[in-house]
Amino acid sequence: DQQVKQNSPSLSVQEGRISILNCDYTNSMFDYFLWYKKYPAEGPTFLISISSIKDKNEDGRFTVFLNKSAKHLSLHIVPSQPGDSAVYFCAASSGGAGSYQLTFGKGTKLSVIP
Amino acid sequence: DAGVIQSPRHEVTEMGQEVTLRCKPISGHDYLFWYRQTMMRGLELLIYFNNNVPIDDSGMPEDRFSAKMPNASFSTLKIQPSEPRDSAVYFCASTSRDRVPQETQYFGPGTRLLVL
Repeated sequence: DQQVKQNSPSLSVQEGRISILNCDYTNSMFDYFLWYKKYPAEGPTFLISISSIKDKNEDGRFTVFLNKSAKHLSLHIVPSQPGDSAVYFCAASSGGAGSYQLTFGKGTKLSVIP
Repeated sequence: DAGVIQSPRHEVTEMGQEVTLRCKPISGHDYLFWYRQTMMRGLELLIYFNNNVPIDDSGMPEDRFSAKMPNASFSTLKIQPSEPRDSAVYFCASTSRDRVPQETQYFGPGTRLLVL
């Protein structure tokens, strides 16, 4: 039973346009959400996070939005660049910012076309 | 800094054989995690250690899987006997006691396992 769902296995976007990656979760105890980025033959790396007390967090070209009532979060990348082509994992944890256990989704493969 | 080191990077074995995956965490990190990535289930936490002691192994799929951490700089994940459905990429990650440990899990490059 997937507690964190990424329903789009892949996404293609033109360079310079906005990329929107979506994630849904089912566990109401989750209160900290993250996005990880993974290039081929490498391990995932942390990208951006958001606490459940916020509805938006921005870091440069990356913005994460959280809609708690809908149990939905999204990652916006503006503008998209070819170097953003990677697999993006949504992850969640409970217990606030100090938790060591992450629940990941299956990932969405983003392809940014030059 | 060397980062998390995993070996081997690729492993091909036959069903029924024993497989041992190895991990060297980042020096000074006292938490170590083993994850498995498959198309069907995505990235799953199998087990994690703190100060070489297993804290939560609820993600370990079956008794065929076992993990050890004999010291702070080395951990193994063993599958005995291996089955085709164990084919996956296995990641090791480490972190230290940190304000936001979720953001500071450093992953190794993974071991791609194929069981024929």
